Amino acid sequence: GNSVTQMEGPVTLSEEAFLTINCTYTATGYPSLFWYVQYPGEGLQLLLKATKADDKGSNKGFEATYRKETTSFHLEKGSVQVSDSAVYFCALGDYGQNFVFGPGTRLSVLP
Amino acid sequence: EPEVTQTPSHQVTQMGQEVILRCVPISNHLYFYWYRQILGQKVEFLVSFYNNEISEKSEIFDDQFSVERPDGSNFTLKIRSTKLEDSAMYFCASSLAGGPGTDTQYFGPGTRLTVL
Repeated sequence: GNSVTQMEGPVTLSEEAFLTINCTYTATGYPSLFWYVQYPGEGLQLLLKATKADDKGSNKGFEATYRKETTSFHLEKGSVQVSDSAVYFCALGDYGQNFVFGPGTRLSVLP
Repeated sequence: EPEVTQTPSHQVTQMGQEVILRCVPISNHLYFYWYRQILGQKVEFLVSFYNNEISEKSEIFDDQFSVERPDGSNFTLKIRSTKLEDSAMYFCASSLAGGPGTDTQYFGPGTRLTVL
């Protein structure tokens, strides 16, 4: 079946540091890939998505590129802020099937 | 911007009691979902619902659970006899459709269920 693996963290960075959170997936079909963010005490918010190979999703300075050859969808941001502190979930949605989430990566950004 | 809403935000119940968690999906969406997240753990799929019937359910979604769309706007999750291990955050989600490009799921803020 489908699965998502991501670095579990926690990841602690200083403000303005470069962020990478790795995500790899296993899927039988041609999934869409997503990053969701969960701020403390809140629900899941869609951060970005990509629906096919080589697509790049971007939002709020975050980017992720759908790499079919490496089955990856790594999340990157060039300069993190304290307000980016949250848990980040990589997720996979395959046609006709339901979302599979990675375990989440907790990011803490220190001023 | 349209959003998924859930009520209540927090529900406390005694073990063995029935609870109903309510969700209002985005109005033109056709697919509805429930997920749960036990504190500090991953988000787990429970059930998906389309065209007034369950389209898929996980092993977690046993006979204690049921879902319903009682009217044109609400989508409910009922737990018939709650257990301690049902304590979790329950998220409702909806998507326009189920296929590529239209399958983005939008999540509600969640209901935190505490079973004592």
